Amino acid sequence: NAGVTQTPKFQVLKTGQSMTLQCAQDMNHEYMSWYRQDPGMGLRLIHYSVGAGITDQGEVPNGYNVSRSTTEDFPLRLLSAAPSQTSVYFCASSSSLAGPRDEQYFGPGTRLTVT
Amino acid sequence: AQKITQTQPGMFVQEKEAVTLDCTYDTSDPSYGLFWYKQPSSGEMIFLIYQGSYDQQNATEGRYSLNFQKARKSANLVISASQLGDSAMYFCAMREGLAAGNKLTFGGGTRVLVKP
Repeated sequence: NAGVTQTPKFQVLKTGQSMTLQCAQDMNHEYMSWYRQDPGMGLRLIHYSVGAGITDQGEVPNGYNVSRSTTEDFPLRLLSAAPSQTSVYFCASSSSLAGPRDEQYFGPGTRLTVT
Repeated sequence: AQKITQTQPGMFVQEKEAVTLDCTYDTSDPSYGLFWYKQPSSGEMIFLIYQGSYDQQNATEGRYSLNFQKARKSANLVISASQLGDSAMYFCAMREGLAAGNKLTFGGGTRVLVKP
């Protein structure tokens, strides 16, 4: 059981480039989400999904796209990278069967730098 | 307005002593859940403890306990018998609504450094 995996671990982009951060989980969790963590701050929700084919915006969605074609995968696309998107990105998943105490399982994070 | 406020940016604690990390929250939803996560220097997020808004008793998980004061909208984390491995960032988070989901709002965190 690998849990939540994220690739790549590190990435450097130039302004204007696009890329996709990968997130996969093998726990058959319905819920998945993407957060960003800026230096010295807490996590902020970018996008989330309650199941395959269903996504919605979080607190800071601008500049990012998501799709959820399978239960396992939830990629995050940066359309045109900007220095303000320099951050650590965390993917998380949780199960609807957990009830209110829905512990979120976090991936190890992707550290992105945009120059 | 901030939904989750952690007013202590950093604190020192002596090994084997207890430490209390403050968290206040703001919501008009009567149904909510409060979480605490630990983030060591390696960067991963580790779930510590959960408190539901309708839970009658304060949550406890090993050395972690939550001092839940609903009327004051506070959910302070107490770590007893601190260990060197407790040195980390600690985040308070809230989910509004009872239905399980993955939308958490995080506070800014408190850095704890345990001194030997």
